[in-house]
Amino acid sequence: NAGVTQTPKFQVLKTGQSMTLQCAQDMNHEYMSWYRQDPGMGLRLIHYSVGAGITDQGEVPNGYNVSRSTTEDFPLRLLSAAPSQTSVYFCASRRTASSYEQYFGPGTRLTVT
Amino acid sequence: KNEVEQSPQNLTAQEGEFITINCSYSVGISALHWLQQHPGGGIVSLFMLSSGKKKHGRLIATINIQEKHSSLHITASHPRDSAVYICAVISMEYGNKLVFGAGTILRVKS
Repeated sequence: NAGVTQTPKFQVLKTGQSMTLQCAQDMNHEYMSWYRQDPGMGLRLIHYSVGAGITDQGEVPNGYNVSRSTTEDFPLRLLSAAPSQTSVYFCASRRTASSYEQYFGPGTRLTVT
Repeated sequence: KNEVEQSPQNLTAQEGEFITINCSYSVGISALHWLQQHPGGGIVSLFMLSSGKKKHGRLIATINIQEKHSSLHITASHPRDSAVYICAVISMEYGNKLVFGAGTILRVKS
């Protein structure tokens, strides 16, 4: 199993550009989530999904969209990038919402200039 | 106030020292994770605890549910242990979402 994969690993955007961060898992996990990690702060939940076709907002959803058309994929879209979205983004999955074992992707380092 | 507090924020140790990182939380939890993140690297799960104590090599994690406190111990520390250690709880009050501490930056000098 590849586990949780993310692409790209690094990205630089100009303010106002849009892009999609890709996340995929091959463990047939129902629950997937996106976090951002900023210096001095704990990881914060952006959006999550409890299964295909179901998504919900986390703590810091503004400026981001998600969709979950398949169990495997959970892309995160930045609609109009802002410097405040400069961060490291992690995708994670677990078998179900009530499972405890969490698996993280390798992260995407995004810089918005 | 953060629901998950870690201490210390930064820790420098000499190789071979015994290290303790603490985590206190204020919410009801289903389980607690200790995570490790090397500089520029991904996040690796070290332990998942819901009670008692777990040991893996030189790492020991304990949890006291009544006191809402967990500790991560590293025995005979080594420079390769230098990393950020993150405590995260699966919070019952937040629908089983993960709530993260800010992390402890550990540097072990040789």
